[in-house]
Amino acid sequence: DGGITQSPKYLFRKEGQNVTLSCEQNLNHDAMYWYRQDPGQGLRLIYYSQIVNDFQKGDIAEGYSVSREKKESFPLTVTSAQKNPTAFYLCATSSYRGGGTQYFGPGTRLTVL
Amino acid sequence: GESVGLHLPTLSVQEGDNSIINCAYSNSASDYFIWYKQESGKGPQFIIDIRSNMDKRQGQRVTVLLNKTVKHLSLQIAATQPGDSAVYFCAENENNAGNMLTFGGGTRLMVKP
Repeated sequence: DGGITQSPKYLFRKEGQNVTLSCEQNLNHDAMYWYRQDPGQGLRLIYYSQIVNDFQKGDIAEGYSVSREKKESFPLTVTSAQKNPTAFYLCATSSYRGGGTQYFGPGTRLTVL
Repeated sequence: GESVGLHLPTLSVQEGDNSIINCAYSNSASDYFIWYKQESGKGPQFIIDIRSNMDKRQGQRVTVLLNKTVKHLSLQIAATQPGDSAVYFCAENENNAGNMLTFGGGTRLMVKP
């Protein structure tokens, strides 16, 4: 975190609603990532973007969508098609000059009511 | 706080003792490794990294050891403190995979005062 902000910290959603999680960075990093974290499991990659206006599906992209209109921003939308969206969502960034290290934001806890 | 890693392996150590956290990886093509620390309700924090051309790297109170023969990585924390209590997980990056990381499941470190 530090140069990566995620908002809100906590988010509650009713079933059937779409919600958007924000991720902003001021590190001038090229690549941005979204991960989902569930208790007892490792990080699972949802989507990633290596350059503006381009993004790729990760391992669990179904029910999620993203956009990358600006280098600093990579919002994640959790759609009603995501059957089990309650989780901790983490945004990360990396620089191609950083040798592979990813840096994480503080996370957003999403709960479906 | 966030209930990260309810079913993770747990290492319990006495304050002031040294801690050793282990990680096995399976991809022999991985050539870059990172250790992260994640406190409850927060995003993962970079601790230390190591490239495959090294066997050992030291930071402040932390040492990472890499054994490529058996594909094993360890994190040693000297003089463990209560503030070290967290979930620790390793990540690996495969050569030619850009900045994509594969994450381990994590180990919970509990420090007893």
